[in-house]
Amino acid sequence: DSGVTQTPKHLITATGQRVTLRCSPRSGDLSVYWYQQSLDQGLQFLIQYYNGEERAKGNILERFSAQQFPDLHSELNLSSLELGDSALYFCASSADRGNYGYTFGSGTRLTVV
Amino acid sequence: GENVEQHPSTLSVQEGDSAVIKCTYSDSASNYFPWYKQELGKRPQLIIDIRSNVGEKKDQRIAVTLNKTAKHFSLHITETQPEDSAVYFCAASRNRDDKIIFGKGTRLHILP
Repeated sequence: DSGVTQTPKHLITATGQRVTLRCSPRSGDLSVYWYQQSLDQGLQFLIQYYNGEERAKGNILERFSAQQFPDLHSELNLSSLELGDSALYFCASSADRGNYGYTFGSGTRLTVV
Repeated sequence: GENVEQHPSTLSVQEGDSAVIKCTYSDSASNYFPWYKQELGKRPQLIIDIRSNVGEKKDQRIAVTLNKTAKHFSLHITETQPEDSAVYFCAASRNRDDKIIFGKGTRLHILP
């Protein structure tokens, strides 16, 4: 267990629908990052939150949005889903001090049918 | 914009031989270079990292080298073993709590 918790592990939904992915960072980590990994693709950076505020934005579609709550958990909302949104969505967190680097959650596998 | 190029995309080596994966980065402000290993169906896990104030770092069979002038860095795995088979990602970041930009990954196959 990495300490980063993502739910649900699997999600199957139809095109046009909306889903919410949830991430709880490691205890004490203030930064949360969201990545999308499509089949045989690398890790595409979507968005970063730091202590409740948006810190950086990557290639995130307008149909996607995220937020980080006061308890530091984060949610990624995906709407008007398309077949091409099927992917593994990872959340990661990082610490302000001590070791560098991310710790990833186990991911949510989204399948749009 | 920021970009990390990684090659090769696939690498097959005989068990016991060495494997080398190379990456280049575009953002000259990058200061932190982690490497992640991802086994099939699992989360990426940090295996080694290097910061820009050092040129080389070693951890048992794994070593990383960094050339900031040329903006490239490499992962070296010696005495490869079957459990080394996985996808390896190089990455670059400016600071501890900045976003990390990943390369597209190298699928490493260790042949018996």
